[in-house]
Amino acid sequence: GQNIDQPTEMTATEGAIVQINCTYQTSGFNGLFWYQQHAGEAPTFLSYNVLDGLEEKGRFSSFLSRSKGYSYLLLKELQMKDSASYLCAVPYNTDKLIFGTGTRLQVFP
Amino acid sequence: DTGVSQDPRHKITKRGQNVTFRCDPISEHNRLYWYRQTLGQGPEFLTYFQNEAQLEKSRLLSDRFSAERPKGSFSTLEIQRTEQGDSAMYLCASSLERRYSGNTIYFGEGSWLTVV
Repeated sequence: GQNIDQPTEMTATEGAIVQINCTYQTSGFNGLFWYQQHAGEAPTFLSYNVLDGLEEKGRFSSFLSRSKGYSYLLLKELQMKDSASYLCAVPYNTDKLIFGTGTRLQVFP
Repeated sequence: DTGVSQDPRHKITKRGQNVTFRCDPISEHNRLYWYRQTLGQGPEFLTYFQNEAQLEKSRLLSDRFSAERPKGSFSTLEIQRTEQGDSAMYLCASSLERRYSGNTIYFGEGSWLTVV
């Protein structure tokens, strides 16, 4: 089966850097996704990692270690609009995504 | 921009009534998914289609729930005899099957259901 763990809540200050961790257990690995979800809105795609290492996309970067079953999402130069839930997800079977409970990030001025 | 669209966005219904949600996926996408999400939780998988075939249903999908995708385009999710526990956001998503890379799933805005 699949199991995904991420912290429930995090807080940070505007302009700072925050790292949101995700650990997973999966039978067979087909990559790992990060989604952002603002309150009351649909999740939006942020990143997809299938190989080990860091992938950078502007202020957001995502890291994967397949041997450790571990990923993190790094957000730099935090802005107030980054306050949202960040969902870690892994594909299961034929690409349906299994999501963690999400990490609710609050950015303070 | 023709993203995933869902209708209605909000629905309030009395317990015991039937409700139906519609989803129009991104036009070239052959896969369509239904998820349910409650406050403070991540989306939970309900079912998915490849073209018009329903390939998988979660144990969460009781016999009161039925989903269809009759022509491989739009889909409907019907909940019969609604219960208060059905109150949630119902998310539709679609993707294009790619053989060698992850299939990014794109979500619609969701349909909020409140059962009173």
